[in-house]
Amino acid sequence: EAQVTQNPRYLITVTGKKLTVTCSQNMNHEYMSWYRQDPGLGLRQIYYSMNVEVTDKGDVPEGYKVSRKEKRNFPLILESPSPNQTSLYFCASAPGTSGRVWETQYFGPGTRLLVL
Amino acid sequence: GQQLNQSPQSMFIQEGEDVSMNCTSSSIFNTWLWYKQDPGEGPVLLIALYKAGELTSNGRLTAQFGITRKDSFLNISASIPSDVGIYFCAGCVTGNQFYFGTGTSLTVIP
Repeated sequence: EAQVTQNPRYLITVTGKKLTVTCSQNMNHEYMSWYRQDPGLGLRQIYYSMNVEVTDKGDVPEGYKVSRKEKRNFPLILESPSPNQTSLYFCASAPGTSGRVWETQYFGPGTRLLVL
Repeated sequence: GQQLNQSPQSMFIQEGEDVSMNCTSSSIFNTWLWYKQDPGEGPVLLIALYKAGELTSNGRLTAQFGITRKDSFLNISASIPSDVGIYFCAGCVTGNQFYFGTGTSLTVIP
């Protein structure tokens, strides 16, 4: 089954304790992206990647890092989480080759993060 | 970053009624998108618009790309209970970077 998986689905942590949220897709997609969703603000793009070793900043990259060492995985790293990073995070992937990634952008189930 | 404002923020309607929502931006976009998000799920694409003035339908849903390229509209006709969810607009300039609206929460009362 074609899918985007995220782990963990729920996470409670404390300020300053490094964490990684994993994202994996089994569709051989070139394009992957991370978003955060906050009440009243909608989804905001954090980082995206057009292919292995190619990453670019989205709208709100501060406080986050990503890496794309292999095509299927796109982990989101919070080196020193702060309470304002408490949010619902979505990973997405798309083939990317058509130039219209949104037409087939698959979203993962979401990771709910609470930073105390 | 870019700001996309959606209105209304929330709607409570009777089953069978039509729904209208809109999205405005301070910037021009080359593509407008409309998504629906069910509780506990990620967004799912409903309609994509590529040209100013374009009107596109997907079943009971119709969306329009505003002439100024700074706004878009979504209409849902004859609403049903499964239309419940949050509707997001999104604008795209380069093709890879997306800006989402603040969302419209729709509740359909049977």
